[in-house]
Amino acid sequence: AQSVTQLDSQVPVFEEAPVELRCNYSSSVSVYLFWYVQYPNQGLQLLLKYLSGSTLVKGINGFEAEFNKSQTSFHLRKPSVHISDTAEYFCAVSDVTGFQKLVFGTGTRLLVSP
Amino acid sequence: NAGVTQTPKFQVLKTGQSMTLQCAQDMNHEYMSWYRQDPGMGLRLIHYSVGAGITDQGEVPNGYNVSRSTTEDFPLRLLSAAPSQTSVYFCASSPRTGTGEQFFGPGTRLTVL
Repeated sequence: AQSVTQLDSQVPVFEEAPVELRCNYSSSVSVYLFWYVQYPNQGLQLLLKYLSGSTLVKGINGFEAEFNKSQTSFHLRKPSVHISDTAEYFCAVSDVTGFQKLVFGTGTRLLVSP
Repeated sequence: NAGVTQTPKFQVLKTGQSMTLQCAQDMNHEYMSWYRQDPGMGLRLIHYSVGAGITDQGEVPNGYNVSRSTTEDFPLRLLSAAPSQTSVYFCASSPRTGTGEQFFGPGTRLTVL
């Protein structure tokens, strides 16, 4: 079984500052890793995913994440945030044989202020 | 292409009532799933289906029933609603031979009084 830990429930940041949202996972098998974003009163939208290959993954809206197998982490970063990035961000994992069963973290609320 | 659609968007039930949350997708995806989202708990898998006629339980199946008679539709039934089922429900779909991404519907906000 897999589990996901998002260490920060809320991250406040000023506009144009860099941000890192942390995600650690636990699994006894190889996994796929995902970051989803949920804007207020909306469904989830995929930001980026790691399936294999390069450990640095670039996604939409200027976000990127780095897969670190030794530290079992998949932290999300953005060098300069905008007000419009205010949302909840979810890290998720699935094992490579059953990708339809996503296991989510508890989410991190990113609050960007002017 | 509407993607994944869910109805209703909002629903208020009284304890003990039954209802069905509808989910449909027009992408011909084999896999469909139901999640519930609760504050501080992320999304938890209720039931999922790998194709028409095949369903299985997820992490929190109690109190919910599903069936999959067609590829397009995957309804979620609450047989006797309880206040603990107050939540936001998301349906998702994905192709069997895909990249692992799941496509989510807009959600149904359910309140059980």
